[in-house]
Amino acid sequence: EAGVAQSPRYKIIEKRQSVAFWCNPISGHATLYWYQQILGQGPKLLIQFQNNGVVDDSQLPKDRFSAERLKGVDSTLKIQPAKLEDSAVYLCASSLGVRGHQETQYFGPGTRLLVL
Amino acid sequence: AQSVTQLDSHVSVSEGTPVLLRCNYSSSYSPSLFWYVQHPNKGLQLLLKYTSAATLVKGINGFEAEFKKSETSFHLTKPSAHMSDAAEYFCVVSPLLDTGNQFYFGTGTSLTVIP
Repeated sequence: EAGVAQSPRYKIIEKRQSVAFWCNPISGHATLYWYQQILGQGPKLLIQFQNNGVVDDSQLPKDRFSAERLKGVDSTLKIQPAKLEDSAVYLCASSLGVRGHQETQYFGPGTRLLVL
Repeated sequence: AQSVTQLDSHVSVSEGTPVLLRCNYSSSYSPSLFWYVQHPNKGLQLLLKYTSAATLVKGINGFEAEFKKSETSFHLTKPSAHMSDAAEYFCVVSPLLDTGNQFYFGTGTSLTVIP
């Protein structure tokens, strides 16, 4: 079974530039999560999708971050414009998304972003 | 409210000796609990999970954890550390809410294995 795919694996940009990350979840997984992991910290949830709808985006800095999952499968996360403090690993995870059942998250390899 | 506390930010053990990584949780609901491992420049890999079945959970690579409701703990153990166990470990609590699953991460424990 293929796991969660993410691209690119690494990205270096200058502040005020834009960047986009892509995630393809495990086939059949309805729930998709984007996390930000700053060096030395645990992952912080940015946004959670159920199919193509947003479940939780309370910690997404909406002035610069946006995410979409238009067809309920793959997803993109965009930062525009980037700031130095956005340097982090961006992790995508997915789970089956069966309501009323305890889920297990499966993570992709992450995209490491460095903002100069 | 839900939260996870990993009591040690760094643990150092000698190869071949036991590993203990401590995790305490707070949850208003009967939660599920997970341990994930993250090797350098890698994503998070599921080690094991507790979902209200047996309280002693066995995972991959010889790790196991015991759910103790009275102590609100879910400590991770391994009888004998291997060099390849050196990594960052995260404890995660997930209450099953009416709105669906949410996941709360601890701040992580960095495990060093000394040859």
